[in-house]
Amino acid sequence: NAGVTQTPKFQVLKTGQSMTLQCAQDMNHNSMYWYRQDPGMGLRLIYYSASEGTTDKGEVPNGYNVSRLNKREFSLRLESAAPSQTSVYFCASSVTSGSGEQYFGPGTRLTVT
Amino acid sequence: AQSVSQHNHHVILSEAASLELGCNYSYGGTVNLFWYVQYPGQHLQLLLKYFSGDPLVKGIKGFEAEFIKSKFSFNLRKPSVQWSDTAEYFCAVRNQGGKLIFGQGTELSVKP
Repeated sequence: NAGVTQTPKFQVLKTGQSMTLQCAQDMNHNSMYWYRQDPGMGLRLIYYSASEGTTDKGEVPNGYNVSRLNKREFSLRLESAAPSQTSVYFCASSVTSGSGEQYFGPGTRLTVT
Repeated sequence: AQSVSQHNHHVILSEAASLELGCNYSYGGTVNLFWYVQYPGQHLQLLLKYFSGDPLVKGIKGFEAEFIKSKFSFNLRKPSVQWSDTAEYFCAVRNQGGKLIFGQGTELSVKP
């Protein structure tokens, strides 16, 4: 099992550009999450998907959109990147939204200039 | 709003020293508690978790944590740290809404 995979690992964007971060899990988990990690702020939830076909906002959703493409895949889109979105982005999954134990991907380091 | 507070931002220890990292949370209902570790350049991995039962939980690599309900705390401990424990440690709480709320993280540096 690969667990949770993310692409790309690194990305540099210019202000105003758009991009999609991809995430996939092969553990047959129902729930998936997107976090951003910033120094001194821990991980903050951007969006999550409790089950296939549903998505909900987390703590910091502004400037982002998500798509739960199927049970395995959950993508995060930046429509018009801003320097404030420079961060490390982690995707995670769990059996259900109530199971608590989440498994994380390796992260995407995004720089917006 | 629910929150998790880790009071130590950066801890520096020598090998064989004892470790205790503080974690306090603000949610008063039933909670599940977690410690995650992020080694340099790697993704987060679960260190240990508390759901119910014995408030003293043991995790991987000799780590343990104690849930003290009256103090809203879930401190992480290890009797003797190693250089390989150098990492960032995150406390997290899952409330009845199902979301994980993370603390700010504590960076641990262990000097050989």
